Amino acid sequence: GQQVMQIPQYQHVQEGEDFTTYCNSSTTLSNIQWYKQRPGGHPVFLIQLVKSGEVKKQKRLTFQFGEAKKNSSLHITATQTTDVGTYFCAGEKDSWGKLQFGAGTQVVVTP
Amino acid sequence: DAGVTQSPTHLIKTRGQQVTLRCSPKSGHDTVSWYQQALGQGPQFIFQYYEEEERQRGNFPDRFSGHQFPNYSSELNVNALLLGDSALYLCASSFAGVQETQYFGPGTRLLVL
Repeated sequence: GQQVMQIPQYQHVQEGEDFTTYCNSSTTLSNIQWYKQRPGGHPVFLIQLVKSGEVKKQKRLTFQFGEAKKNSSLHITATQTTDVGTYFCAGEKDSWGKLQFGAGTQVVVTP
Repeated sequence: DAGVTQSPTHLIKTRGQQVTLRCSPKSGHDTVSWYQQALGQGPQFIFQYYEEEERQRGNFPDRFSGHQFPNYSSELNVNALLLGDSALYLCASSFAGVQETQYFGPGTRLLVL
């Protein structure tokens, strides 16, 4: 079955540094979504990527969808303490809302 | 405009008991999906309801069942609880259609003793 792998599992970052988290699917996806979950909270939608090779930016966050629609990345520049949390990618294979989540990248920011 | 709401927020049950969790979707949404999130893991898809029918199902046993009401709200029922059912249960709502964004509720934290 479809599997979504996410690396790294943990990311320790100094405030002000950049980092990237990667997401890979074993199958071609119709779209990929990214969520952020703060400790003790619930996943909050960040963005959805649909087109092959698509790149979207939200302030310091840059999201990419691979040409083959099997991988994606999230790049954060100038990390801030507010970026703390776990970032999940979630792939959709058949476009009808069955999201397959990765295990997430837990981000810890050191001031 | 209320977002997705879930009740109760926390619940403690013992093995073998049954539990019912409730979800009200975001205004304008007609599709409800349920996810189970174990500690330190990503959410796992349980099933999805649309037009009061189960439209899709993940790899969960028949102990997990659900229902959707005419007002689009939904219930998740789990029978014969196991210790391994302890998790955060998340409800996500969306508007039916291709590649629609799902919005998650705050979840119900279930502890099975």
